Amino acid sequence: KQEVTQIPAALSVPEGENLVLNCSFTDSAIYNLQWFRQDPGKGLTSLLLIQSSQREQTSGRLNASLDKSSGRSTLYIAASQPGDSATYLCAVDDTDKLIFGTGTRLQVFP
Amino acid sequence: GAVVSQHPSWVICKSGTSVKIECRSLDFQATTMFWYRQFPKQSLMLMATSNEGSKATYEQGVEKDKFLINHASLTLSTLTVTSAHPEDSSFYICSASRQMNTEAFFGQGTRLTVV
Repeated sequence: KQEVTQIPAALSVPEGENLVLNCSFTDSAIYNLQWFRQDPGKGLTSLLLIQSSQREQTSGRLNASLDKSSGRSTLYIAASQPGDSATYLCAVDDTDKLIFGTGTRLQVFP
Repeated sequence: GAVVSQHPSWVICKSGTSVKIECRSLDFQATTMFWYRQFPKQSLMLMATSNEGSKATYEQGVEKDKFLINHASLTLSTLTVTSAHPEDSSFYICSASRQMNTEAFFGQGTRLTVV
C-alpha cells in the first residue's frame, strides 16, 4: 500500500529565505508526482507535475525534483515571500488515483 | 492550465436532508473525475472515482448509497450527500483529468456543515 509522507509538518521562515519541502513515498511504481498549494479553506492549486521519467520541473521560483528509485521528491522555493504562506501537498499518481501526503504548513513572515 | 469549477463553495444543511455538489470542467473534457474529503488538519482522502457514462468506483469505507456520484457528461460530475449527518461535515473537493494518469485539476472545494 502506497504511503506518502511529508516533512516537516510545519515550517516558519523569514522572508527571503530559500527553503526545501520534502516528500517521500513507499512504492516507486508511480506515473507521476504533483505538488499542490492549498490556502486555508480553499481548493488546491497545482504547482508542478513531474512525470515518472523526469527528474525535475521548474516554474518561476519553484523547483521540484523526483528520485523515483529512492521514493523522494523535494520542492525548492527560492526567495520566499509572505504570499507563499500556505499548505503544500505532494501527491503520487499510483496506478489509478492520487495518494496525498499530509502536507507542510508554511508560514513566511516579513 | 485548466479550470474546474465547484459549486456551492459552502453549504449548511439540516441533519437528514440531502445536499448536491457540482463539479464542472469549464474548458476541457474530463474523462475522469475524483471526489475527495478533507477533515480538519488532515490530508485529502479519495472517496470515489467517476468515469463518464459509467458507475463510480468507491474507496473502501465509503458508502455508495450515502454518497451518490453521477458523471453524466464529460464536463459535469455531481456528488449528493444523502441523509446528511453532522459527522458528514467536511470539506469536499473534486478534481478532473482529461485522461487517467494525467494532470489533475481541482475545484475550489465545498465546505459542508450539517447541523
